[in-house]
This record gives sequence, C-alpha cells and structure tokens, in this order.
Amino acid sequence: DGGITQSPKYLFRKEGQNVTLSCEQNLNHDAMYWYRQDPGQGLRLIYYSQIVNDFQKGDIAEGYSVSREKKESFPLTVTSAQKNPTAFYLCASSSTLSPLHFGNGTRLTVT
Amino acid sequence: SQQGEEDPQALSIQEGENATMNCSYKTSINNLQWYRQNSGRGLVHLILIRSNEREKHSGRLRVTLDTSKKSSSLLITASRAADTASYFCATEEDWEGAQKLVFGQGTRLTINP
Repeated sequence: DGGITQSPKYLFRKEGQNVTLSCEQNLNHDAMYWYRQDPGQGLRLIYYSQIVNDFQKGDIAEGYSVSREKKESFPLTVTSAQKNPTAFYLCASSSTLSPLHFGNGTRLTVT
Repeated sequence: SQQGEEDPQALSIQEGENATMNCSYKTSINNLQWYRQNSGRGLVHLILIRSNEREKHSGRLRVTLDTSKKSSSLLITASRAADTASYFCATEEDWEGAQKLVFGQGTRLTINP
C-alpha cells in the first residue's frame, strides 16, 4: 500500500532543543512539502522540494531546516530559533498532475 | 500568505441535509482544490477545478468556480455522519513542478444524526 508515513505521531521537547520530524513516502513522487497547522487554522507552507538535493523556502521557513538526500525522505528539523514551535506538522508529496497526498501528521509540543 | 477565506467557519446540520461551504481568494489562479481533514489526521484531496471550468461533480460533491468573483463553493448533498470533518479550499497560483498551494482557514462541518 502506497502512502506517506510521518513519525512519531506525538513529540514532546523542552524549549531550546532541536527536534527532527520524519517523513517517508513510497509513492515515487518527486515533490515533497512540509506544512504547519495551528489550532483552528489553515495550513502554512514551511519548505518544499521538487527534486532530490534541492529545496525551497515556503512562507514560514524561519527557524526550520530540511534536507532531501533521498527521493523517499524529507525530514524537517525544528530548531531552537523557532519562536512558537508547538503545532501540528503535516508532510505531503505530489507528482506532476496529481493532487497532494498527506501523511497523518506529527503533533509537536514544546514546553 | 493566506489567500483563501472560507465561510462559514463552522456549520452544523442534520444528517440528510445539504451542506454548502464557500471560499474566496484574492489573486489569479490556475486551479482551486478542496480537501477534507478528519480530526487529528492529514488532509485528503476531494476535487480539483481548473480556472477555465465553472462546475465539477464527484459523487455527492459539487464544486463551482466563479473567477470573476474570485470565489468557489463546495456542496455536499445528502450529508452523512461520516462527512463530519473540516473542509479546506486551496488555490494554486503558479505551476513550477511543485504545487505551492495556499490554504484557507477551513470550515468545520458537523453532521448531527
């Protein structure tokens, strides 16, 4: 069964620590995306990647970093520079002419 | 940037009734998409309507697009309890190989049995 796997589902960290969220897809999609969702809000684009070893900043990239070393993987690191990191993080992928396929998200809580 | 604005923010109806959600946007678009999100889950794509289309159907879903008014509506007919979810519109401005979708804030739909 093809899909996107995000892990872990829940993540707790202390303020000042960096944390990496995992996203893996087996859909053979070229493009991958990270979105942030705050309670009662829509999604905001953090980073996206169209191809391996290349990625671009979205609307709210400050305090985040990504890598795309493999087609299947697009991990997101939330750094200590992100002022309000507590949120629901969604990873997605797509290919040409296909809609976005989303994972089931990681809920990050920083205290 | 948040382009889509959805109306209403929340909608509660009885099972069997029709549900209509509206989305307005600000700039020219290539297409507009609707997604559904069940609580605590990822989004699921429902339907895409291109800028040169005015209406599209998929099962119990009907989407309209009025580019002159920069607005779209999603109609769910004969609603079911399983339709309870948040619904988001998303617009795509430029096609660069990756879809830089801009999402609205969503409509929370509750279907009462």
